[in-house]
Formats: sequence, structure tokens, C-alpha cells
Amino acid sequence: DAGVIQSPRHEVTEMGQEVTLRCKPISGHDYLFWYRQTMMRGLELLIYFNNNVPIDDSGMPEDRFSAKMPNASFSTLKIQPSEPRDSAVYFCASSSPSGLANYGYTFGSGTRLTVV
Amino acid sequence: KQEVTQIPAALSVPEGENLVLNCSFTDSAIYNLQWFRQDPGKGLTSLLLIQSSQREQTSGRLNASLDKSSGRSTLYIAASQPGDSATYLCAVGGSQGNLIFGKGTKLSVKP
Repeated sequence: DAGVIQSPRHEVTEMGQEVTLRCKPISGHDYLFWYRQTMMRGLELLIYFNNNVPIDDSGMPEDRFSAKMPNASFSTLKIQPSEPRDSAVYFCASSSPSGLANYGYTFGSGTRLTVV
Repeated sequence: KQEVTQIPAALSVPEGENLVLNCSFTDSAIYNLQWFRQDPGKGLTSLLLIQSSQREQTSGRLNASLDKSSGRSTLYIAASQPGDSATYLCAVGGSQGNLIFGKGTKLSVKP
């Protein structure tokens, strides 16, 4: 398995632009998580899905952030409009019920977002 | 609200030393606890996962313990090597699968 695949690896955009981050979870995993990592706040859970349904989005910082999971193999995190304070590394992770109990999460390599 | 704290924030040791990283959490109602390693500019690699009913897990030179009642976990690294240099993150898991992370301990092992 190729693991959790995120794209792009790096994104530089201007303030006010729309940004879309993409994630392909491990096949067969039915939990998908989006995290954001900054120096100040560490790793924060933004939203997670179970069987493509959003379970908890209380970590999404503002209405400018939205996430979708149209099918079991793809998820997007969108920021519109982007602001400099959104600059961070965004991680996607996936797991299965047995994974949660026995093996935990598998993380992608992350997308480093810079908003100028 | 669950809070996870890791002490120290940074640690530098000479090669060959045994060391302990600490993690504490405020709510003992956890599903599991996981230790991750993060190399600079990279994602997270799972090292050890301890279920709430377990007291410890071992993998090679790593040993993680869990004391739920006191809200503490430790990661013990034996005979440290320069390749162990990384940031180590502790995360507690809720029953819904969400993980709450500490801010990590940055470890540097000097040759």
C-alpha cells in the first residue's frame, strides 16, 4: 500500500485566494482525519470523517474552512479566502476500526501551506 | 477538555544514554495512548500504541508505560543513538477515534 497520499506537498498562495488540499486515505480505512500543525499550537484536529460522513468539525477554525469526503478514497480541505495566519502544515490521517484499537493512525506526509 | 502536556520541550543527550520522555493528560477517560516520532519536514510515524487496559508496550529499544489513574505516560529509550534524534509526540485517543496531541519533545542525541 502506498500509504496516505496528500497533495500538493507545498503550496504558496496569495492572501484572499482559494486553497484546496487533497488526501487519499489507505484503501479499506473508514476513518479520515485532518490535522493542522503550527509551532505555536502544535497539532490540532480540524475535522474527521467516518464512512465519508463528518463526525466532528468542532476544530475547524472558521467558516472559511470546509472539508468534504465525496467517496471512500478522496477528501478535500478547502480554505476560502486564505489568510496569512492559515500558514501551517496540514496533515491527513486514516485508520480503520481495528486500526484504532490495535495500530492507531497512518499519517500522510503533509501539505506545507504558505499564505503571503 | 482534554489537555496533553509533554516535558521537557527539548532534550539533548550524549549517544548511549538511556532517557525518559514524559507525557501527562488531564482526563483519564482515554481509549488509548500513542507515541509518534516526527522527523523535520516529515509526517508522523507511529511508534507504540497502548490500550487503556494495558500498562506498557515495548518495541525494540523503546518502552512506553501508561498510568491512567495518574494521567501519565512515559517513553523510555534505551541506549540512545544519533538516529533517534527527532521530535516525539504523545497523543491520547478518545472512543470516537480522535487524537489529542501534546506539543512534543525535541530530542537531540549527540555522537
